[in-house]
Amino acid sequence: EAGVAQSPRYKIIEKRQSVAFWCNPISGHATLYWYQQILGQGPKLLIQFQNNGVVDDSQLPKDRFSAERLKGVDSTLKIQPAKLEDSAVYLCASSYRNFNQPNEKLFFGSGTQLSVL
Amino acid sequence: EDQVTQSPEALRLQEGESSSLNCSYTVSGLRGLFWYRQDPGKGPEFLFTLYSAGEEKEKERLKATLTKKESFLHITAPKPEDSATYLCAVQVVVKGYSTLTFGKGTMLLVSP
Repeated sequence: EAGVAQSPRYKIIEKRQSVAFWCNPISGHATLYWYQQILGQGPKLLIQFQNNGVVDDSQLPKDRFSAERLKGVDSTLKIQPAKLEDSAVYLCASSYRNFNQPNEKLFFGSGTQLSVL
Repeated sequence: EDQVTQSPEALRLQEGESSSLNCSYTVSGLRGLFWYRQDPGKGPEFLFTLYSAGEEKEKERLKATLTKKESFLHITAPKPEDSATYLCAVQVVVKGYSTLTFGKGTMLLVSP
């Protein structure tokens, strides 16, 4: 079974530039998540999609971050303009449904490491 | 606000030296408690889910336990390949949708 695919693996930009990350979840997974993981911290949820609809974006800095999931499959996360404090690993995860059922779980991609200079 | 606190932040063990990692939580309406392993440069990898106090699960040298306020990840006779960051997360359901709230993790280093 193919895992969650993310690209690029690394990105270095200067502050005030824009950047986009791409995620392809596991086939058939309805729920997709974007997490931000700052060095030394645990992952923090940014946004959660159920199919192509947003179910939770309460922690997404909407003045600079945006995300979409067209056709309920792939997703992109964009930052515009980037700030120094956005330097982090951006992780995409997916689950079959919204893992309310026992034994469901989140599967993570390897992430995109962003450095903002 | 849901909170997950992991201790210690870092732990160094000799190969074969057993120990435990702690995850304490305050959350309303816990659905499940998850343990993940994260290797450098990779995303978290699922280890266990615990759903009720008293539940235990084992996988190789790892055993996870759950009480009403905390969870422990016991590592028996660890090997260098067990070196990783171990993340604890609580599952809560809001408006019918599940999310995971993570702790900061415990970085484990096992020396040969």
